[in-house]
Amino acid sequence: IQMTQSPSLLSASVGDRVTLSCKAGQNINNYLAWYQQKLGEAPKLLIYNANSLQTGIPSRFSGSGSGTDFTLTISSLQPEDVATYFCQQYNSWLTFGSGTKLEIK
Amino acid sequence: EVQLVESGGGLVQPGRSLKLSCLASGFTFSNYGMNWIRQAPGKGLEWVASISSSSSYIYYADTVKGRFTISRDNAKNTLYLQMTSLRSEDTALYYCARITTTGYFDYWGQGVMVTVSS
Repeated sequence: IQMTQSPSLLSASVGDRVTLSCKAGQNINNYLAWYQQKLGEAPKLLIYNANSLQTGIPSRFSGSGSGTDFTLTISSLQPEDVATYFCQQYNSWLTFGSGTKLEIK
Repeated sequence: EVQLVESGGGLVQPGRSLKLSCLASGFTFSNYGMNWIRQAPGKGLEWVASISSSSSYIYYADTVKGRFTISRDNAKNTLYLQMTSLRSEDTALYYCARITTTGYFDYWGQGVMVTVSS
């Protein structure tokens, strides 16, 4: 299943509300996860089952959507949120999106 | 604390073989499926292979099928990836990751670099 993330690059200011998009090529129900990968680090699980926050992840991160359209929202962007964000579907096999690189304006 | 530590990477010539290891700690290794996921330099994530907790179920990406073999030793808390007939396009950082019963990856290692070049 093809996963398409947009935008590929996003620049925003500290305190902004940021929205990242992930679209699946077919219905994946809510079998979607979001990961954060900081430069030089391994990916970290943020969200699973489209909208469940992983333990220890700040509440400014939230996920929504079902079917084919999904969103990761950061309610108030912090400097430590600079990273690349990947979505992953697990409805049929396992595929990742190409990522959205988030930077501070 | 869950820890996954990969090893065995390095520079290898095209056509040669290499075996990666991932030592797990901080959880009951034999209860979890495990995976290898790779990331080519500057690129996204690509799932490579998956093995169930008891090795009963094994799956591969089409790009590595027939060349890579995933295995595990639950007595040693270790996951393996035997890579043969390596190609330049296999150059990547290889992560081992624990998979939940649903299918997302809740813990990742720091990765090990594999470079295939003459």
